[in-house]
Amino acid sequence: KNQVEQSPQSLIILEGKNCTLQCNYTVSPFSNLRWYKQDTGRGPVSLTIMTFSENTKSNGRYTATLDADTKQSSLHITASQLSDSASYICVVSADGNNRLAFGKGNQVVVIP
Amino acid sequence: GAGVSQSPSNKVTEKGKDVELRCDPISGHTALYWYRQSLGQGLEFLIYFQGNSAPDKSGLPSDRFSAERTGGSVSTLTIQRTQQEDSAVYLCASSLNLLNEQFFGPGTRLTVL
Repeated sequence: KNQVEQSPQSLIILEGKNCTLQCNYTVSPFSNLRWYKQDTGRGPVSLTIMTFSENTKSNGRYTATLDADTKQSSLHITASQLSDSASYICVVSADGNNRLAFGKGNQVVVIP
Repeated sequence: GAGVSQSPSNKVTEKGKDVELRCDPISGHTALYWYRQSLGQGLEFLIYFQGNSAPDKSGLPSDRFSAERTGGSVSTLTIQRTQQEDSAVYLCASSLNLLNEQFFGPGTRLTVL
């Protein structure tokens, strides 16, 4: 079973609307969680990183939340733009372990 | 360079042929990683190099896969006797050292006919 599960698998939203992507993980012991954005044909680019003690972190119109007790994270996109169309990948790192556990990604398509 | 670069960007090969994929990490980064991303799947770890330490090859799917990192910089991933199931995007990442943020290259899209 994958250690990082993301939902929804894919999402279509209208330009200007908000959306929330979910990430549940079982990685333990937990070190940090990153959200990456991967544009088509490009490598993933880090949006946010959160450690155990952080509950929320923003990067422009992207806001990530973390509940380390329930092992859940979300990525909220505000006022979506066409350029937000991409795959958003949740990546969890275990404490003391350089291996990363990757989710399969949330595929977001923003339409005008 | 400013980021991780990979070449070629696309590679089409025939089943049974060998291929070499190249990765140029960010200068000064001691850790280098190779991942495979198949359609609809998450990134799959293949191998990482850290400084002069022995590489962690535990993610390589078969003995047809091998990788080298020469001089602590450029790395090549070699796939021998390619199979159709090897078709995927191969991503390289580098980080300042282990546990630091990984910066990804654009990937090489491999298609085995």
